[in-house]
Amino acid sequence: QSVLTQTPSASGTPGQRVTISCSGSSSNTGRNYGYWYQQLPGTAPKLLIYKNNQRPSGVPDRFSGSKSGTSVSLAISGLRSEDEADYYCAAWDDNLSAWVFGGGTRLTVL
Amino acid sequence: QEQLVQSGAEVKKPGASVKVSCKASGYTFTNYYMHWVRQAPGQGLEWMGVINPTGGSTRSAQKFQGRFIMTGDTSTSTVYMEMSSLTSEDTAMYFCARGHCDGDCYFWAAWYFDLWGPGTLVTVSS
Repeated sequence: QSVLTQTPSASGTPGQRVTISCSGSSSNTGRNYGYWYQQLPGTAPKLLIYKNNQRPSGVPDRFSGSKSGTSVSLAISGLRSEDEADYYCAAWDDNLSAWVFGGGTRLTVL
Repeated sequence: QEQLVQSGAEVKKPGASVKVSCKASGYTFTNYYMHWVRQAPGQGLEWMGVINPTGGSTRSAQKFQGRFIMTGDTSTSTVYMEMSSLTSEDTAMYFCARGHCDGDCYFWAAWYFDLWGPGTLVTVSS
């Protein structure tokens, strides 16, 4: 059971906008920044969004992050087939004094 | 370019220990921390711990304390993780991930993962 909660799966058609949510608590996403990672099949994770809504250089602006209360969200607009991957949220948890991840959301592009 | 190169796959028997290396290149090694994250087959990501390679200070997840050690060698820009008393539940891909901070860097919470190694598969089997 992950500390951060993500829906296990999501899907969309090419060109569509999809949103992936990550629910936490006051000890993690409510108080600290949220981060998003993309893991393509058979590869290592890659940083997509840091500090809730910041994009590293090289990440397309189709990817955006937001925070509301104790939840963080990742939005992908103009969905492409290459976006098919697992997406993980992460945050520092003050109670556990540890980094925690969501269980991951598998995005399927139909 | 900035990259992390990890040591090769390992096969260990239950009760044994394993040591995995992660060599950094293309950036100033001492300006960053290093995390270890593992992923069991078909499962999600699990944070194990973080090391400041310069001072050697570490912070690890409670479930690994006592059998998980991280060390760093600034002369070779390499960090190591060693885990003992392995069981089949430790079969996983082990990733090193660079810890980056661009704010108040006093707290472990500020050091997020911004660059990942390719992973080292550790298989524990009798």
